[in-house]
Amino acid sequence: KNQVEQSPQSLIILEGKNCTLQCNYTVSPFSNLRWYKQDTGRGPVSLTIMTFSENTKSNGRYTATLDADTKQSSLHITASQLSDSASYICVVSLQTGANNLFFGTGTRLTVIP
Amino acid sequence: DAGVIQSPRHEVTEMGQEVTLRCKPISGHNSLFWYRQTMMRGLELLIYFNNNVPIDDSGMPEDRFSAKMPNASFSTLKIQPSEPRDSAVYFCASAAVRGGTEAFFGQGTRLTVV
Repeated sequence: KNQVEQSPQSLIILEGKNCTLQCNYTVSPFSNLRWYKQDTGRGPVSLTIMTFSENTKSNGRYTATLDADTKQSSLHITASQLSDSASYICVVSLQTGANNLFFGTGTRLTVIP
Repeated sequence: DAGVIQSPRHEVTEMGQEVTLRCKPISGHNSLFWYRQTMMRGLELLIYFNNNVPIDDSGMPEDRFSAKMPNASFSTLKIQPSEPRDSAVYFCASAAVRGGTEAFFGQGTRLTVV
């Protein structure tokens, strides 16, 4: 069964600290993995995309890693800011099929001053 | 481009009433998705259109839900009759091509059925 699981469900950190969010998936055949950021009351916005051959990609203070062998991805946030408070959703795409996006339920990150 | 535009942003309705949610995708995108988001289940795909044609509606909960895309710039999701368990945030997203490409989301419609 194609599934995407994220951990932790929620996380609270102090401003300026680093954190790492995890995503494990069983989606196959794998095409790519995206991390989305969803601010409260808004739609998700893509942060990074990684294909099978990529194992790390950065977008500012966000760094995503991918281990296609173990089917794990992480999103590392460096020097967190209050504006990082949001839900982070891992989305894995199949190579084929009309319904080819599988969403994790997200990690709710709260950055406190 | 203003992005994916959804209306209304909030909808409160009584059980049994008909609800219509609207979406305008990004111009030039040929794929459109309707998602429902709840705390318990996260984002769930309801239906997916490609070139205005419904491709996969297996996620539509039941016959009370219907979706249309009469042209490339407009889609509706209708619930009739609505029930309290339909309360959720409904997102519309569009993408340039099918498969592996970024889906751009609207801001969602928060539906409350009382």
